[in-house]
Amino acid sequence: NAGVMQNPRHLVRRRGQEARLRCSPMKGHSHVYWYRQLPEEGLKFMVYLQKENIIDESGMPKERFSAEFPKEGPSILRIQQVVRGDSAAYFCASSQTGPVTTNEKLFFGSGTQLSVL
Amino acid sequence: DAKTTQPNSMESNEEEPVHLPCNHSTISGTDYIHWYRQLPSQGPEYVIHGLTSNVNNRMASLAIAEDRKSSTLILHRATLRDAAVYYCIRLNAGGTSYGKLTFGQGTILTVHP
Repeated sequence: NAGVMQNPRHLVRRRGQEARLRCSPMKGHSHVYWYRQLPEEGLKFMVYLQKENIIDESGMPKERFSAEFPKEGPSILRIQQVVRGDSAAYFCASSQTGPVTTNEKLFFGSGTQLSVL
Repeated sequence: DAKTTQPNSMESNEEEPVHLPCNHSTISGTDYIHWYRQLPSQGPEYVIHGLTSNVNNRMASLAIAEDRKSSTLILHRATLRDAAVYYCIRLNAGGTSYGKLTFGQGTILTVHP
C-alpha cells in the first residue's frame, strides 16, 4: 500500500514562472492537506481539501496560490509568478476521514522542495 | 491558544532510553496530545497520541501527567534512525481542527553511536 506520493521531489523555477506541485493521497483517503515549511521555520498549514471541494484555505496566501483536488487525479498546489520567498518545502498529507479526530492521524508525503532562482 | 513548549534540542546515546518533555499548561479537557517526528529531508511521521492515560505502541510510550499540563514521549532504546525533530501537538477532539496541526519548533534529537 503506497504512501502519500508527491512529485516532483525537487522543483527549480525562475522568478515569475509557475510551479505545480502534485500529491496523490494514500489509497482510500479522500482528505488532503497542504503544509509549507519555510527555511528555519516550522510547518504551517495552508489548505484542506476533500474531493472537488476546498474546505479550509485559511493558511493560503491570498494571491498567486491555489489548490485543487479533482474527482480524478492528484491534488495540485499551484503557485503563479513565483518569487524567491516562495522557496520552501511543501508537504502534502492525507487522512482517511476528516476532520482529524482523536484517532485520526495524518500521513505525510516526502515533500517537494521548491527553489526559486 | 494551541501552544506547547519543548526544549530546543536533546542528545542521547544509542540504545539508551530518551525522555522528550512537553509542557502544555493551558490544555483544555478535550485536547489530545499528539506526537509527530520529522526525519531529515522527510515529511512528518505520526508517533503516538493520548488524552489522560499513558499510551504505548511499537514506536514509543507517552506518559501524561495527572494534571495534564505536561507529557513525556519515551523512546525505550534510541537508535540512530530516531534522530529527528519531535513535535508535541495539542489537538482538539471536537473535530474542528481538521488537519490543522500546529507545529512548533519541536525538539531536535541527536543520537550518538
